[in-house]
Amino acid sequence: GQNIDQPTEMTATEGAIVQINCTYQTSGFNGLFWYQQHAGEAPTFLSYNVLDGLEEKGRFSSFLSRSKGYSYLLLKELQMKDSASYLCAVLDSNYQLIWGAGTKLIIKP
Amino acid sequence: IAGITQAPTSQILAAGRRMTLRCTQDMRHNAMYWYRQDLGLGLRLIHYSNTAGTTGKGEVPDGYSVSRANTDDFPLTLASAVPSQTSVYFCASSNGTGELFFGEGSRLTVL
Repeated sequence: GQNIDQPTEMTATEGAIVQINCTYQTSGFNGLFWYQQHAGEAPTFLSYNVLDGLEEKGRFSSFLSRSKGYSYLLLKELQMKDSASYLCAVLDSNYQLIWGAGTKLIIKP
Repeated sequence: IAGITQAPTSQILAAGRRMTLRCTQDMRHNAMYWYRQDLGLGLRLIHYSNTAGTTGKGEVPDGYSVSRANTDDFPLTLASAVPSQTSVYFCASSNGTGELFFGEGSRLTVL
């Protein structure tokens, strides 16, 4: 079956760096997405990786290794507003998105 | 409006009642989706539509139906609601890149 694994919850300190991991086993691969979802709100797009390597976008970076079925989202210079859930999703061979359950990130002052 | 609008935002419903969740987009996206989100679970696809006039079943379609009469509207109907359909429902659209644009969600409670 298809499976996306990510930690349920992580805690980090304001100003620090945190890495949220995502491993996947899917039928085919056409890209990996990271979304941010604040409590009570809709998910919003953060990043898309289809080739191996690191994509940097401001304080956020996303890494992909297709051979390992692995990605991570790196958040630098953490701010209180970064407290949210981070969702990993893989586009499978049928171009359907398979979603992880999300990682709740708690930022402490 | 800009983006995707869902209605109602929140609803409490008696079991057995019929309910339609509305979804409208103004981005002229061909693909639209309905997801449900439950605590501890990832977003689960209920139904989707790749273009006006076509629909398909997702991962958890039972108890739900959709229609896509035009590009902008994609309503989700619960013919006879059951308590297990208590959830937050998100409508989304895509511009073909794989990136999804979500509505603000509809919180449904079935008693």
